Amino acid sequence: DIQMTQSPSSLSASVGDRVTITCRASQGISNYLAWFQQKPGKAPKSLIYAASSLESGVPSKFSGSGSGTDFTLTISSLQPEDFATYYCQQYNSYPLTFGGGTKVEI
Amino acid sequence: EVQLVESGGGLVQPGGSLRLSCAASGFTLSDHYMDWVRQAPGKGLEWVGRTRNKANSYTTEYAASVKGRFTISRDDSKNSLYLQMNSLKTEDTAVYYCARTVRATSGHYYLDYWGQGTLVTVSS
Repeated sequence: DIQMTQSPSSLSASVGDRVTITCRASQGISNYLAWFQQKPGKAPKSLIYAASSLESGVPSKFSGSGSGTDFTLTISSLQPEDFATYYCQQYNSYPLTFGGGTKVEI
Repeated sequence: EVQLVESGGGLVQPGGSLRLSCAASGFTLSDHYMDWVRQAPGKGLEWVGRTRNKANSYTTEYAASVKGRFTISRDDSKNSLYLQMNSLKTEDTAVYYCARTVRATSGHYYLDYWGQGTLVTVSS
């Protein structure tokens, strides 16, 4: 199975900060990586697929990059509604696997 | 508008069975692969399994942790997805989400829409 490792597991940031979350795959997954946002008590929401493609309706302050084993999610200017937990997921091969999550706190 | 609504969760004893349903609307279910993903209380996301569409013979894939105990099925005529869970264990306690997948140009499938989830509690 492909292991997905996110770092950090949590971070504290302020409104307006630029935030970067890292996701590393245990083996190459090309660009078959997605990012999800989850707020407490809510379902995950899809943000990015194919490592860098924004889902429809997702604001451009979110961006993704990477290929192979190393990926990043960047939020350019953190807003109050962005405080949440973020997960990466590889869909290169079965079983699909998620990273452990990064909680972004105030 | 794409909507996915799960139902069927509840309290069940270890060793028992439960069937979850996911009602789909706002899109043509038969065109899509569909996944189940779960989340134990206070934990991260875990992929449970996938059913391919009719064009791909409704074949399935499962996580090792549920293979042989869980079965994913679908009834496109009823716009519904199902998760039959047998031989339940306490570690199966989680919120279960159904999710739609979309085929990328690469031929790989990624998740785009999620339901709100239904809670399954396995306890004596």
